[in-house]
Amino acid sequence: SQQGEEDPQALSIQEGENATMNCSYKTSINNLQWYRQNSGRGLVHLILIRSNEREKHSGRLRVTLDTSKKSSSLLITASRAADTASYFCATDALNGGSQGNLIFGKGTKLSVKP
Amino acid sequence: DARVTQTPRHKVTEMGQEVTMRCQPILGHNTVFWYRQTMMQGLELLAYFRNRAPLDDSGMPKDRFSAEMPDATLATLKIQPSEPRDSAVYFCASGFYRDRGTYEQYFGPGTRLTVT
Repeated sequence: SQQGEEDPQALSIQEGENATMNCSYKTSINNLQWYRQNSGRGLVHLILIRSNEREKHSGRLRVTLDTSKKSSSLLITASRAADTASYFCATDALNGGSQGNLIFGKGTKLSVKP
Repeated sequence: DARVTQTPRHKVTEMGQEVTMRCQPILGHNTVFWYRQTMMQGLELLAYFRNRAPLDDSGMPKDRFSAEMPDATLATLKIQPSEPRDSAVYFCASGFYRDRGTYEQYFGPGTRLTVT
């Protein structure tokens, strides 16, 4: 069953603009991760934020987590055409975190136009 | 640069045939996951193993799917008999324990299965 739900389903922006994707989830979590998938490829881990963290940065990526609202956002600043991909959030349920399994949302399809 | 490898990358088969997909996890990773991705359902967890032992296969149709890890370098997912609704991209991911109950997963390139 789906735990994370990304919003929007699709996003189209111009190169240089910022892209913001949101994720909502249902149950308490140990951590939340964001992955990227280029067309025809496997998912690539981008960033992990723990339940006791509120914000995390990695290069042009900024992730926020609001556990009271059960939501997270991924911001990509100064987007590039190479950022075109689908972005997924994934959560591990708090009581299942020790098992390592993640539940993925359906993703946001980002298109960055040159 | 260590990677998860999957074979075959593409498979077209007729309904009723047996399909075997293989995965070589990253050396040193002790957890292997099998996922299926379709447009309608998104990414679904089928089964996963820890130290070669199956932990959970509740996402798999038991009557036709089976997953095994004959050794630490090979995981297999078998469908017998295959049906058109099995058409999807099947991903293998290997993972390791980071800390504080957190695992990180590395995905293979996937096997695109088409059942006609």
